[in-house]
Amino acid sequence: RKEVEQDPGPFNVPEGATVAFNCTYSNSASQSFFWYRQDCRKEPKLLMSVYSSGNEDGRFTAQLNRASQYISLLIRDSKLSDSATYLCVVNKKVGDTGRRALTFGSGTRLQVQP
Amino acid sequence: EPEVTQTPSHQVTQMGQEVILRCVPISNHLYFYWYRQILGQKVEFLVSFYNNEISEKSEIFDDQFSVERPDGSNFTLKIRSTKLEDSAMYFCASSYSGYTFGSGTRLTVV
Repeated sequence: RKEVEQDPGPFNVPEGATVAFNCTYSNSASQSFFWYRQDCRKEPKLLMSVYSSGNEDGRFTAQLNRASQYISLLIRDSKLSDSATYLCVVNKKVGDTGRRALTFGSGTRLQVQP
Repeated sequence: EPEVTQTPSHQVTQMGQEVILRCVPISNHLYFYWYRQILGQKVEFLVSFYNNEISEKSEIFDDQFSVERPDGSNFTLKIRSTKLEDSAMYFCASSYSGYTFGSGTRLTVV
């Protein structure tokens, strides 16, 4: 089983649509959870952290279900500029330093169309 | 906004040659990382570095790879004898509390 599993897409949606991405992770020791955005041939950029209580940042809402090991991202009112690959990312504690090695999913591609 | 800087942006090398990828992390960050992304595949962890030593490495990071912080500002990844399958985008990252990724070095082995 993959450590972090995502539907690769692509999701093709019209501007203004609401779109939801899901992700599952296999390592129950995972401690922190994130959604990153990656544009073609660019570095991953943090979109938002994901908290157990759920959190919202403008048009973006993230949810975490630790019992089911499931993470979601909801994008409302999609913009053309939201077109990108969305990466589900988890981390685990690294040795005694407590630092983190991030484990990335393969990403879900979103294409927002005019 | 502080940035992680990577050089070169693109490097082409012949199979069997040594390459050194360079990174300048954010100055007050204490933890440094290398990740790679083969074209069309996911981002994969290679190695983390803290207090002048490797704190964790993945199974990808075999004996042909090494990392160094030679002068307190640069952080380098050396690949001793490149293979075709080393062709990938290599991302450096540093962290204090949150991660910051560099824009990457595209390595092409021919």
